[in-house]
Amino acid sequence: EPEVTQTPSHQVTQMGQEVILRCVPISNHLYFYWYRQILGQKVEFLVSFYNNEISEKSEIFDDQFSVERPDGSNFTLKIRSTKLEDSAMYFCASSESTGGNEKLFFGSGTQLSVL
Amino acid sequence: DAKTTQPTSMDCAEGRAANLPCNHSTISGNEYVYWYRQIHSQGPQYIIHGLKNNETNEMASLIITEDRKSSTLILPHATLRDTAVYYCIVRKDDYKLSFGAGTTVTVRA
Repeated sequence: EPEVTQTPSHQVTQMGQEVILRCVPISNHLYFYWYRQILGQKVEFLVSFYNNEISEKSEIFDDQFSVERPDGSNFTLKIRSTKLEDSAMYFCASSESTGGNEKLFFGSGTQLSVL
Repeated sequence: DAKTTQPTSMDCAEGRAANLPCNHSTISGNEYVYWYRQIHSQGPQYIIHGLKNNETNEMASLIITEDRKSSTLILPHATLRDTAVYYCIVRKDDYKLSFGAGTTVTVRA
């Protein structure tokens, strides 16, 4: 079964450093998402992306965050200057289409630790 | 998106059916009911979804009441590997899914 792949599985960085989290969505999917989950808290929506544009973003997704589809297969989340509070599990997801009847498939996540 | 209410936790016995309730009394006509689960901080896993009719797949069954104000996810024969947090989500015709706190289900041998 096709799956969403995320790398790395764990990332440790120093506060103030830039990090790039990488995702390979399912190949025929056109809609891409990033979510995060701080330890012990809910899974939170960050951003959705379609046709090389951000479709929707949450309040969390401020100017420190950016997303990109640099080629035909990868989808990346960049955090420009990491803060301690950015420590979380980051999940990438993709869907074939959009709309209420379209399910999202999630990757296994990247655990980001900011020291 | 309409708010959902789920029990915080529940136990069930291995091999028995697990019935997970969800209330969504403010659901509107174009909103789907989705169920996902998350096993120990892994990525959320899709289980099933529906609009009005009951649905069944290889993982579970979804029973939606006629007034659509509540639903039940049924895991027909729970195994230890079904221990997870189960999320009931009401989703409009938009891009994102919004996760709540879910129900922590513990399957006991």
